[in-house]
Amino acid sequence: QQQVKQSPQSLIVQKGGISIINCAYENTAFDYFPWYQQFPGKGPALLIAIRPDVSEKKEGRFTISFNKSAKQFSLHIMDSQPGDSATYFCAASGRRASGGSYIPTFGRGTSLIVHP
Amino acid sequence: KAGVTQTPRYLIKTRGQQVTLSCSPISGHRSVSWYQQTPGQGLQFLFEYFSETQRNKGNFPGRFSGRQFSNSRSEMNVSTLELGDSALYLCASSLDGFSYEQYFGPGTRLTVT
Repeated sequence: QQQVKQSPQSLIVQKGGISIINCAYENTAFDYFPWYQQFPGKGPALLIAIRPDVSEKKEGRFTISFNKSAKQFSLHIMDSQPGDSATYFCAASGRRASGGSYIPTFGRGTSLIVHP
Repeated sequence: KAGVTQTPRYLIKTRGQQVTLSCSPISGHRSVSWYQQTPGQGLQFLFEYFSETQRNKGNFPGRFSGRQFSNSRSEMNVSTLELGDSALYLCASSLDGFSYEQYFGPGTRLTVT
């Protein structure tokens, strides 16, 4: 099973601070790296995604940094708000050269709490 | 556009029974994937259907099966339920496959007693 290792498992940040969650993957053929946000009782919601041809992607307060050589990517939440308190999952997948797709692999999740 | 819908939202079954869960993808999406989410194992891929064909399958026993209809709606079935099957079952749809954007439904919470 292809692995995606996510850290930390839990994170507590003060309002206005920066939340940083890291992921590392193994399969260099992966070419799609999304982050999902999940609130209790809800399904994961696609937050932001990146492909390996860029090193950074920003959408509002959320930024993905991607390091292809290190096989790592991270989510940065700037100016963290209490409403950002949720579980965040990274994932990795992609198309096989021979056709078809790799089964998407998810990190184990990071529980983020933002204190007011 | 309406999001991904799943029915039922909650289900309680007894060991040995079988269960069928339903998923309606976003209009125009042809790919439906199913996941099992548990506190211990996280999000695990079950299978993906595209144009009524199973395109990929995760490492789950044969008790877990699924199908997709011509309107892209999908069902998954779990036979001979075990206590360990208690989980949140999530359906995700995407335009053509899961290497691109996936949109998850709210899930079906299955409890096996």
